[in-house]
Amino acid sequence: DAGITQSPRYKITETGRQVTLMCHQTWSHSYMFWYRQDLGHGLRLIYYSAAADITDKGEVPDGYVVSRSKTENFPLTLESATRSQTSVYFCASRQDSPLINYNEQFFGPGTRLTVL
Amino acid sequence: GNSVTQMEGPVTLSEEAFLTINCTYTATGYPSLFWYVQYPGEGLQLLLKATKADDKGSNKGFEATYRKETTSFHLEKGSVQVSDSAVYFCALLPRNDMRFGAGTRLTVKP
Repeated sequence: DAGITQSPRYKITETGRQVTLMCHQTWSHSYMFWYRQDLGHGLRLIYYSAAADITDKGEVPDGYVVSRSKTENFPLTLESATRSQTSVYFCASRQDSPLINYNEQFFGPGTRLTVL
Repeated sequence: GNSVTQMEGPVTLSEEAFLTINCTYTATGYPSLFWYVQYPGEGLQLLLKATKADDKGSNKGFEATYRKETTSFHLEKGSVQVSDSAVYFCALLPRNDMRFGAGTRLTVKP
């Protein structure tokens, strides 16, 4: 499927378990992002990546790990899940070009994660 | 730092009413500004954008003008429909990472 996909769409886990959320995009966009959406906070950036093997922290990176070995994939891992990480997680991608002022960011459908 | 402040919701309007959702920003340099819309159970979709001062973004009857003097990007629509019920996010892109407001939930009643 073309576009940006996330899996799983829903996940329930327990405190202390490791969880990995997957994100895949088919456009070869250079930038990829992970956000969490919580009531009253809007979307907060967890991590982002400007290219394969380049990642950087966002506003709320603690407790999360990312990697980007391939341009099209950007998994997000919760090494030891906590209840405060219960949220809806959105992956996004964007292709920046110095020639065209084209900077629309495309979002995946989201993963609803519940940590018990 | 770079940040966005949106008017708090929820906003409830009757069909065909006029809509304004306020958005102000703080940023260094000359960021691009966006409005995204999120329908229930879905991800965010770009609604409109403006890349420089005095630009007006428009789409589906929605408009927003990039006002550098007031650091604002208010969303307006002259006549809302029930199908416009969604959560609206204002966002800015200063350099690499996009920053979002808290979102404003709009409900339009027939």
